[in-house]
Amino acid sequence: SQQGEEDPQALSIQEGENATMNCSYKTSINNLQWYRQNSGRGLVHLILIRSNEREKHSGRLRVTLDTSKKSSSLLITASRAADTASYFCATVSSGYALNFGKGTSLLVTP
Amino acid sequence: DVKVTQSSRYLVKRTGEKVFLECVQDMDHENMFWYRQDPGLGLRLIYFSYDVKMKEKGDIPEGYSVSREKKERFSLILESASTNQTSMYLCASRSILEAFFGQGTRLTVV
Repeated sequence: SQQGEEDPQALSIQEGENATMNCSYKTSINNLQWYRQNSGRGLVHLILIRSNEREKHSGRLRVTLDTSKKSSSLLITASRAADTASYFCATVSSGYALNFGKGTSLLVTP
Repeated sequence: DVKVTQSSRYLVKRTGEKVFLECVQDMDHENMFWYRQDPGLGLRLIYFSYDVKMKEKGDIPEGYSVSREKKERFSLILESASTNQTSMYLCASRSILEAFFGQGTRLTVV
């Protein structure tokens, strides 16, 4: 079932600004992952954070996880036009399936 | 370079037709998934498979079936296509940590 819920649904910023997206989920998790989807394409894995981690960095990406609030945030620093895409959080609780949220649509204008 | 390949990018079928969507992965993953993606609804899990000949229903299995005769191939079958099955279909396979997606099949049922 859909676990994650991203916020905001849509975000529009200018190049160079930071973009922050949030994800809330419902049940306990093993890990939380963020994916990116360019228009009309498949999803690409960006970063994974385990339930015992609080923060993780990868290049211009910073992910935080607060298991007490059942929430995560994805920060993209110094955004570029090429970052324009939809971003999804996905959780794995038990079993095999990844449960995705509805996504945040990010538009970065030059 | 790891790869998940879906047999078609675009497909147009008539109501009542039996439709096969094929997905092949080259990563020797045990877990494979079929999602459909609709505007405003995000990704919804249709079926997944955790081994050859093993399958589990996801959140929206009605009107669909699947086949996994070989580890690398996971097929989604629409037994009798209907217009409400017009959607983007995404196949994924999963390692221990992350999921890899195909490029998606945009199916239109007329």
